[in-house]
Amino acid sequence: SQQGEEDPQALSIQEGENATMNCSYKTSINNLQWYRQNSGRGLVHLILIRSNEREKHSGRLRVTLDTSKKSSSLLITASRAADTASYFCATDGTGNQFYFGTGTSLTVIP
Amino acid sequence: EAQVTQNPRYLITVTGKKLTVTCSQNMNHEYMSWYRQDPGLGLRQIYYSMNVEVTDKGDVPEGYKVSRKEKRNFPLILESPSPNQTSLYFCASSQQGNEQFFGPGTRLTVL
Repeated sequence: SQQGEEDPQALSIQEGENATMNCSYKTSINNLQWYRQNSGRGLVHLILIRSNEREKHSGRLRVTLDTSKKSSSLLITASRAADTASYFCATDGTGNQFYFGTGTSLTVIP
Repeated sequence: EAQVTQNPRYLITVTGKKLTVTCSQNMNHEYMSWYRQDPGLGLRQIYYSMNVEVTDKGDVPEGYKVSRKEKRNFPLILESPSPNQTSLYFCASSQQGNEQFFGPGTRLTVL
């Protein structure tokens, strides 16, 4: 399987702290995307970073990409209770298939 | 409102009884895809379609069929469901290379 992996599997932090989660993948990519999923619901797109980009920001989100290490990180700054969710990275591989990681479950404690 | 719809949202069926889960998008997206989500395994792609009449296997296509006769619709067909197909299924669409928009999910139980 070419499925990626997120690390850690679960993360629990206090409101106001920063949350960092990592994603490793196995193949060359065109882009890498991060998604958020509230329990049992559909995924919502957060941010897309292309293979020729190293860093991208969107509001409280910061994503980095290291294609030499086949890894990416998602940083959520000043976390809020509403950020509690599962976070997934997804890569498009070398074709038109998508590969999702196994997810990081984030709990933000008020 | 731009959206991806799936029906039904919940389905309980028995082994071997053919079923279809519908998926429709109103964003004129070329790319559509089906995923299944199982605990500890994340999302795995079942089938995807680059455009009308073009479909390809994903990571876990066994036991599933799809069709893409119209751009907006991409139904998932289980000809003879088995208990190991009990899962949460998501349909998604996108313009190629861009963010995917996901449907609300279909929770399928095969007894």
